[in-house]
Amino acid sequence: DIQMTQSPSSLSASVGDRVTITCRASQYISSYLNWYQHKPGKAPELLIYAAASLQSGVPSRFSASGSGTNFTLTISSLQPEDFATYYCQQSYSIPLTFGPGTTVDIK
Amino acid sequence: QVQLVESGGGVVPPRRSLRLSCAASGFTFTSYAIHWVRRAPGKGLEWVAVISYDGSDKYYADSVKGRFTISRDNTKNMVYLQMNSLRPEDTAMYYCAKASDSITVYTGGHYWGQGTLVTVSS
Repeated sequence: DIQMTQSPSSLSASVGDRVTITCRASQYISSYLNWYQHKPGKAPELLIYAAASLQSGVPSRFSASGSGTNFTLTISSLQPEDFATYYCQQSYSIPLTFGPGTTVDIK
Repeated sequence: QVQLVESGGGVVPPRRSLRLSCAASGFTFTSYAIHWVRRAPGKGLEWVAVISYDGSDKYYADSVKGRFTISRDNTKNMVYLQMNSLRPEDTAMYYCAKASDSITVYTGGHYWGQGTLVTVSS
């Protein structure tokens, strides 16, 4: 199975801050990497697919990059509605594993 | 618009069974795989299972293999998750999600339901 790791596990930030989350796969996954946002009591939301493609309707302050084993998600200017937990997920091989999540909360 | 609605959750004793349902609408159901994903209390998201667009391929997480069975009825736009031999560690919110790309199972989940809560406890 491919193991996914994320760092940091949590971070505190202020509105307007630039935030970067990293995700690493235990083996090569090409660009089969997705990013999700999950808020308490809500369904997860797909933000990014294929490592760097912004899902339709997702604000342009979200961007992502990477391929192979190393990936990043960046929020260019954190907004109040962005405080949530973010997960990466590889869809290169079964089982489709998630990272452990990064919780972004208010400083 | 795309909608997925889960149902069938509840409180069940260990070693018993439960069947979850996922009702889909607003898209060409027969063209997309469907995933089940869960989130246990205090834990992160865990992928559980996926079924291909035509039901011919089914894959499971190791933690549920041999106990859970995913199926679909393309005449009713429904996906099911039959959960047998339930354990306390299966306690979680269970979500179904439409695959983001048509045909393939090697893809993320684009639209998600609101989830159905399963509690395994005596």
